[in-house]
Amino acid sequence: GESVGLHLPTLSVQEGDNSIINCAYSNSASDYFIWYKQESGKGPQFIIDIRSNMDKRQGQRVTVLLNKTVKHLSLQIAATQPGDSAVYFCAEKYSGGGADGLTFGKGTHLIIQP
Amino acid sequence: GAGVSQSPSNKVTEKGKDVELRCDPISGHTALYWYRQSLGQGLEFLIYFQGNSAPDKSGLPSDRFSAERTGGSVSTLTIQRTQQEDSAVYLCASSLGRGVGQETQYFGPGTRLLVL
Repeated sequence: GESVGLHLPTLSVQEGDNSIINCAYSNSASDYFIWYKQESGKGPQFIIDIRSNMDKRQGQRVTVLLNKTVKHLSLQIAATQPGDSAVYFCAEKYSGGGADGLTFGKGTHLIIQP
Repeated sequence: GAGVSQSPSNKVTEKGKDVELRCDPISGHTALYWYRQSLGQGLEFLIYFQGNSAPDKSGLPSDRFSAERTGGSVSTLTIQRTQQEDSAVYLCASSLGRGVGQETQYFGPGTRLLVL
């Protein structure tokens, strides 16, 4: 079946640096993408989402970029802080039919070095 | 406001027993989802409820799994004759609806199920 995957399982960055977490998706029909942050022992926390009619969307310290040509999604976190340490999941959905749930990647563990 | 709540937070059971997991969605959210997260893995979609429509059960892994949603609000996920491979975190999410601008899913803290 089609799925969303991640390029790197672990990413280590220095506190204060910017981080980029990448995600590849395989369903070219997907039109909704979302990033979640999951801290140990907690449920996923919504960060930012983007629809396929956009290629960039910004939030507070975060930016999501969507490249539909190569089916690539990325999450940029500016000026990382210790509290950003977590596992980050990308997910996709096709709104036009099929299963109603999100399809998740396996996650990238972001480690912030002091 | 209150987020999605789930109970119990942890559940230990013996192989072969039935378990019930509860989810209380965000007030006003008509869509409710159940996912399963195995150790170190991503989330796996199980089932979806939208209002009073028939649920999307396409993700349920076997007929031992079932779910219901009473009154369009609280949902219960039931696993019958539990197996050790059912051990996982069961996560519930809700969204305003299914349409554009309503689909953002907000998750609860999960129920950690351990089958001995």
